[in-house]
Amino acid sequence: AQSVTQPDIHITVSEGASLELRCNYSYGATPYLFWYVQSPGQGLQLLLKYFSGDTLVQGIKGFEAEFKRSQSSFNLRKPSVHWSDAAEYFCAVGAFRGGGTSYGKLTFGQGTILTVHP
Amino acid sequence: EAGVTQSPTHLIKTRGQQATLRCSPISGHTSVYWYQQALGLGLQFLLWYDEGEERNRGNFPPRFSGRQFPNYSSELNVNALELEDSALYLCASSFLAGGPSTQYFGPGTRLTVL
Repeated sequence: AQSVTQPDIHITVSEGASLELRCNYSYGATPYLFWYVQSPGQGLQLLLKYFSGDTLVQGIKGFEAEFKRSQSSFNLRKPSVHWSDAAEYFCAVGAFRGGGTSYGKLTFGQGTILTVHP
Repeated sequence: EAGVTQSPTHLIKTRGQQATLRCSPISGHTSVYWYQQALGLGLQFLLWYDEGEERNRGNFPPRFSGRQFPNYSSELNVNALELEDSALYLCASSFLAGGPSTQYFGPGTRLTVL
């Protein structure tokens, strides 16, 4: 079964500082990986995704993530955080082959709440 | 392009009642997914419909059910509501092309069970 771990429940950074949110996954086949962001009481907005190819993927709002198969990680980064980035961030892994109970669904990590200090 | 829409925004029910939540996918998307986001339990997969058929369901009791209509919109029904069903219910849609696909989420329906 697939699983996702986001080790940091809450991260606080100052505006303008760099950011890295950690994500580790467990999946037996080629993982399809996603980062979503959720503002309070809202739905999920897709930041970026990795299906194949270049392991460094660029997303919206200046975010990027790097897929490292050897470490089973897909960490999200941003060089300079803005106050509007304060939200909850979710890493997810998707299964799109082979059928079974995981087929078609996204499995999410527990989320990381980002607070930005002015 | 219009995104995924959900209705109602908020829904208040009492224990034992039934709730019906609705979702309209992005135009051209044939798959609809339902997730539950309950406090302390995170985002849990509920159901997946594609081309009118249920393709997969998560670890939820049978009182959670749904359907997909010919126009690809979907309904989630929760029967015999319990207090722990209080949650944000998120709908997502995607277009399947035989490989990995991206799920785009709606704003959610907040269900409160009293």
